[in-house]
Amino acid sequence: DVKVTQSSRYLVKRTGEKVFLECVQDMDHENMFWYRQDPGLGLRLIYFSYDVKMKEKGDIPEGYSVSREKKERFSLILESASTNQTSMYLCASSLGSGAAQETQYFGPGTRLLVL
Amino acid sequence: LAKTTQPISMDSYEGQEVNITCSHNNIATNDYITWYQQFPSQGPRFIIQGYKTKVTNEVASLFIPADRKSSTLSLPRVSLSDTAVYYCLVGRLLNTDKLIFGTGTRLQVFP
Repeated sequence: DVKVTQSSRYLVKRTGEKVFLECVQDMDHENMFWYRQDPGLGLRLIYFSYDVKMKEKGDIPEGYSVSREKKERFSLILESASTNQTSMYLCASSLGSGAAQETQYFGPGTRLLVL
Repeated sequence: LAKTTQPISMDSYEGQEVNITCSHNNIATNDYITWYQQFPSQGPRFIIQGYKTKVTNEVASLFIPADRKSSTLSLPRVSLSDTAVYYCLVGRLLNTDKLIFGTGTRLQVFP
């Protein structure tokens, strides 16, 4: 079974703080993704990575950056947290075969509250 | 852009069959249709995927008509534990135009 873990289930941070959200997958997947989920808006893609040190912007990258130094780890960074970044953050990974039927495996999520 | 449209919510009772339909009029030739399930405070979980006709696994069935402009997720004999949000996705990964989960369908199962 693919396992995707996220470093924290709950986080409380103050406005202006730098925040790191860590995600680790144990199945040697090439692709990793960061989403945020807000009520009424569904899941929105922030960034994804298809290889080590490679990254691509998703739909809402503003205010975020990412880092992928190792294949199994994908970090989401909030350079200066703001209250509108209060959300549930979900990490996902996928094999990276390029096949049209490829699916994603999600972590449990990190609920971030920015005060 | 293969946008999907699903009902916002559905109610059912234990033991009933539930069918959730997703519309995707702009589906491309190479697109697959994938359904995910999400419980509160958890990440989405893959349920089923198909390209055409019918697919069945231990959890659900997926019906896809010949024109592929819609699909129906069928959950046989639901239980309380099937209460969740169900998302329909169409497209392929790494094409960010198509990585749209939308708001899904919130299924509530009553005893």
